[in-house]
Amino acid sequence: NAGVTQTPKFQVLKTGQSMTLQCAQDMNHNSMYWYRQDPGMGLRLIYYSASEGTTDKGEVPNGYNVSRLNKREFSLRLESAAPSQTSVYFCASRSEPGSRNQPQHFGDGTRLSIL
Amino acid sequence: KNQVEQSPQSLIILEGKNCTLQCNYTVSPFSNLRWYKQDTGRGPVSLTIMTFSENTKSNGRYTATLDADTKQSSLHITASQLSDSASYICVVTRDNTNAGKSTFGDGTTLTVKP
Repeated sequence: NAGVTQTPKFQVLKTGQSMTLQCAQDMNHNSMYWYRQDPGMGLRLIYYSASEGTTDKGEVPNGYNVSRLNKREFSLRLESAAPSQTSVYFCASRSEPGSRNQPQHFGDGTRLSIL
Repeated sequence: KNQVEQSPQSLIILEGKNCTLQCNYTVSPFSNLRWYKQDTGRGPVSLTIMTFSENTKSNGRYTATLDADTKQSSLHITASQLSDSASYICVVTRDNTNAGKSTFGDGTTLTVKP
């Protein structure tokens, strides 16, 4: 059981380039999330999708777009990468938003450097 | 402002020793508090989850406590092992029906030395 799979694992971009980070989960979860983690800081929510067909902004959405392609897949797009977007990006999923005892399941991250 | 503060920022202990990590929060309203373990280069993995009515929960050598009155939680690790070296993250959720309402602490980095 793979859980949450993120691709690519590493990526280097030049300022102004665009790219899409991919995330897929095989646990039939309804909710999916994108976070960024910067050194010495807590994870910050970029966007989330409470269910297939819906997306909402999180704490730091500027410079990003998302697509909930289907129940399994949730992608994050950087249209014009900036050095401030250098970070480790984590995708997570959870079975039901209202399920009190269900934690988020995280992928292993995409390490993105923008020069 | 909803905040989660963890202490210490980093901690070094010898293998076999016990340690306690702290989490103070100002998040309101309160739905639940989780502790995650994040190994280097990996995503966070849930250790424990506590709701308002729970004040202690154990997962093997990990024991979490919650004092909802003082808004404090602790994670106690007993008989530490080298594999306990990781970052431990405290997460407080305001509204469990809304996927976006969780606040993450900055984490405590634990190093266990032989």
